[in-house]
Amino acid sequence: EPEVTQTPSHQVTQMGQEVILRCVPISNHLYFYWYRQILGQKVEFLVSFYNNEISEKSEIFDDQFSVERPDGSNFTLKIRSTKLEDSAMYFCASSEIGTAKNIQYFGAGTRLSVL
Amino acid sequence: QKEVEQNSGPLSVPEGAIASLNCTYSDRGSQSFFWYRQYSGKSPELIMSIYSNGDKEDGRFTAQLNKASQYVSLLIRDSQPSDSATYLCAVNTGTASKLTFGTGTRLQVTL
Repeated sequence: EPEVTQTPSHQVTQMGQEVILRCVPISNHLYFYWYRQILGQKVEFLVSFYNNEISEKSEIFDDQFSVERPDGSNFTLKIRSTKLEDSAMYFCASSEIGTAKNIQYFGAGTRLSVL
Repeated sequence: QKEVEQNSGPLSVPEGAIASLNCTYSDRGSQSFFWYRQYSGKSPELIMSIYSNGDKEDGRFTAQLNKASQYVSLLIRDSQPSDSATYLCAVNTGTASKLTFGTGTRLQVTL
């Protein structure tokens, strides 16, 4: 069964460093998303991406964050100058079509620990 | 601020019983509603989607939607210990747009 793949599963970094989280969406999906979940809190939307551009972003997704689809398969989230409060699980999701009924499938997540 | 509200629980039910999980949402323009299951330390896994008022059944799971009351629920029949997880209600308000999640209800199925 096709699945969303995320790497690495766990990333440890020092405060102020840059990290890149990687995702391979399901191959025929066109819409991509990043969410994060701070330990013990709700899953929060960060950004959605379609046709090589951001279609929507939340107030969390400030200039510290950027997304890119560098090739035909990868979708990345870059966090510049990480802060302690960036420690969270980051989930990539993808969906096939862009209607209200679109179902988003989640990857296993990357646990980011900022020390 | 578009909100999705859930009782955080834990909701404890004995094995074989029916578990009833509830969710309310604030945005009347919401179009699609989803229930995800999340085991501790894992990612959300889709259980059910529902788009129209009424009930939708899939195996032991039934989703119920009442748009007038802005209420969506999930019933789990014949609950099993493996159903013990956090159940997340998620709402989509437009095309290809974000999912807004509730905080989740932790379900414990006891032997």
